[in-house]
Amino acid sequence: GQNIDQPTEMTATEGAIVQINCTYQTSGFNGLFWYQQHAGEAPTFLSYNVLDGLEEKGRFSSFLSRSKGYSYLLLKELQMKDSASYLCAVRGEEQTGANNLFFGTGTRLTVIP
Amino acid sequence: NAGVTQTPKFQVLKTGQSMTLQCAQDMNHEYMSWYRQDPGMGLRLIHYSVGAGITDQGEVPNGYNVSRSTTEDFPLRLLSAAPSQTSVYFCASSSLEQAYEQYFGPGTRLTVT
Repeated sequence: GQNIDQPTEMTATEGAIVQINCTYQTSGFNGLFWYQQHAGEAPTFLSYNVLDGLEEKGRFSSFLSRSKGYSYLLLKELQMKDSASYLCAVRGEEQTGANNLFFGTGTRLTVIP
Repeated sequence: NAGVTQTPKFQVLKTGQSMTLQCAQDMNHEYMSWYRQDPGMGLRLIHYSVGAGITDQGEVPNGYNVSRSTTEDFPLRLLSAAPSQTSVYFCASSSLEQAYEQYFGPGTRLTVT
């Protein structure tokens, strides 16, 4: 089966750093993804990890440990516009040509002044 | 490029009615998929396609049909709407070469009474 856990809600202060954790148990592993979703909008791609380690992209970084079934998304220099839900997703067993993702329930981040 | 487009944005149906949610992409992506998003639950895969003429079931396919006659279009049909199908529906697409990034449409908010 598939199981992805992430905190339901987090609050952080503008200008600070926040880390959103994600643990997963899946049948097969072919990549971990983070998406951002503002209220009432579509998810947008943030990052992708398939090997262990840290991937950095501007203010956002994502870390993966496959042996621990663990990832985190790190947001630096928080801005008010970063208030959104952050979705952790795993691509499981590779099916020919498929890009099927299994999503967690998302973490709603609120940035306060 | 319009990206991924979905119509309608909002729809109200009565129990038992049928309808088709439209999805189109202009990026020549091979992979297309439909997800539903419900409060407290992650995005769940309904059906997906890896190319014209090829479709397969996802996690929650019951009550839905799809077809893929062209690369661009991937409509989702509700055969006999039920209140349990009240949800926000997202269509997504990606290329097979850059399968790590999926592009989501703006969503269709469906209410079944």
